[in-house]
Amino acid sequence: GAGVSQSPSNKVTEKGKDVELRCDPISGHTALYWYRQSLGQGLEFLIYFQGNSAPDKSGLPSDRFSAERTGGSVSTLTIQRTQQEDSAVYLCASSLGLRGDTQYFGPGTRLTVL
Amino acid sequence: GENVEQHPSTLSVQEGDSAVIKCTYSDSASNYFPWYKQELGKGPQLIIDIRSNVGEKKDQRIAVTLNKTAKHFSLHITETQPEDSAVYFCAASRRWGKFQFGAGTQVVVTP
Repeated sequence: GAGVSQSPSNKVTEKGKDVELRCDPISGHTALYWYRQSLGQGLEFLIYFQGNSAPDKSGLPSDRFSAERTGGSVSTLTIQRTQQEDSAVYLCASSLGLRGDTQYFGPGTRLTVL
Repeated sequence: GENVEQHPSTLSVQEGDSAVIKCTYSDSASNYFPWYKQELGKGPQLIIDIRSNVGEKKDQRIAVTLNKTAKHFSLHITETQPEDSAVYFCAASRRWGKFQFGAGTQVVVTP
């Protein structure tokens, strides 16, 4: 596809359940980012992958959050034992990485924890 | 780390008037400053960006200015139209790094 895609577009879960959110970056982009956007708020950085380097996890809010990037392409953000405060839109972005810094965003996954 | 402040938080303009959004940043090593537009229910879309070796950049009705000495940059939208209504975010970064975003500006263009 031409852009960043994310799935699912919406996810409703019960408190305490685990969820997985998926991101497909633009083909050829070596850098991938996850952000969280709470209702009416700005974008909060979560984690950054660049090629085969160790990811920058400095934005993950707790050890319930983790992310993987397999084969340098698709990424999965996992939230374990979800809490109501995890409800937000989770945005993924990708960029050319060391060859370019412009980030292109996907449409996001809206997570609602009941 | 980098800190980006964005003002105003909301901006209401009459159609045809200009809109200006201002951002300041703290990290003097930041050298890339993009602006994103986010419409309801969608992800942010890049509308214009500027690098630290340029003072001004224009694309049709949109322009961005950068003052490195004062560490601030601004977005200017001229001849505003209803479709310009959205939330606008500024960001700052060092090259190939994570962005620090401003808190966003809700722009409402009234006919």
